[in-house]
Amino acid sequence: NAGVTQTPKFQVLKTGQSMTLQCAQDMNHNSMYWYRQDPGMGLRLIYYSASEGTTDKGEVPNGYNVSRLNKREFSLRLESAAPSQTSVYFCASSELRGQGIYEQYFGPGTRLTVT
Amino acid sequence: AQSVSQHNHHVILSEAASLELGCNYSYGGTVNLFWYVQYPGQHLQLLLKYFSGDPLVKGIKGFEAEFIKSKFSFNLRKPSVQWSDTAEYFCAVNGGGDYKLSFGAGTTVTVRA
Repeated sequence: NAGVTQTPKFQVLKTGQSMTLQCAQDMNHNSMYWYRQDPGMGLRLIYYSASEGTTDKGEVPNGYNVSRLNKREFSLRLESAAPSQTSVYFCASSELRGQGIYEQYFGPGTRLTVT
Repeated sequence: AQSVSQHNHHVILSEAASLELGCNYSYGGTVNLFWYVQYPGQHLQLLLKYFSGDPLVKGIKGFEAEFIKSKFSFNLRKPSVQWSDTAEYFCAVNGGGDYKLSFGAGTTVTVRA
């Protein structure tokens, strides 16, 4: 099992460019998540998908869009990149529990720099 | 909305010292609690979790945590740290049948050899 995979690992964009970060999981989890990690701020949730066919905004959704392509794949799109979006992006997945969710499993991250 | 507070931003210890990291959360209902570790340059990995039952939970690498419901706390402990425990530690809470985790800001632990 690969767990959660993300592509690309590194990316440099110019302001105004667009790109899509890809995430896939092979654990048959229902829920998938996109976070950004910035120094001193922990992980902040951008968007999540509790189950296939649904997506919801998290704490910091502005400037991003997501697509839950199928149960395995959840992509994050930056339509017009800004320097404030320079960050490390993590995808995660988890299974639903009766009250909430089980633990989340994280991908290796994408380090994005916007110049 | 839930919030999670980690008391220490950066902790520096010598090898063999004991470690305790504080975590408090602000949700009054049923919660699921987690501690994650992030080694330098790596992704987050689960250290331990609490769903119900014995409030003292044991995780990997000799870590344990105690859930004290009356104090809304879930503190992480390790009796004797090693240099390889140098990492960032995150407390996370899932509550109220929600589908999200709320993370604390993280505590950087540096263990000097």
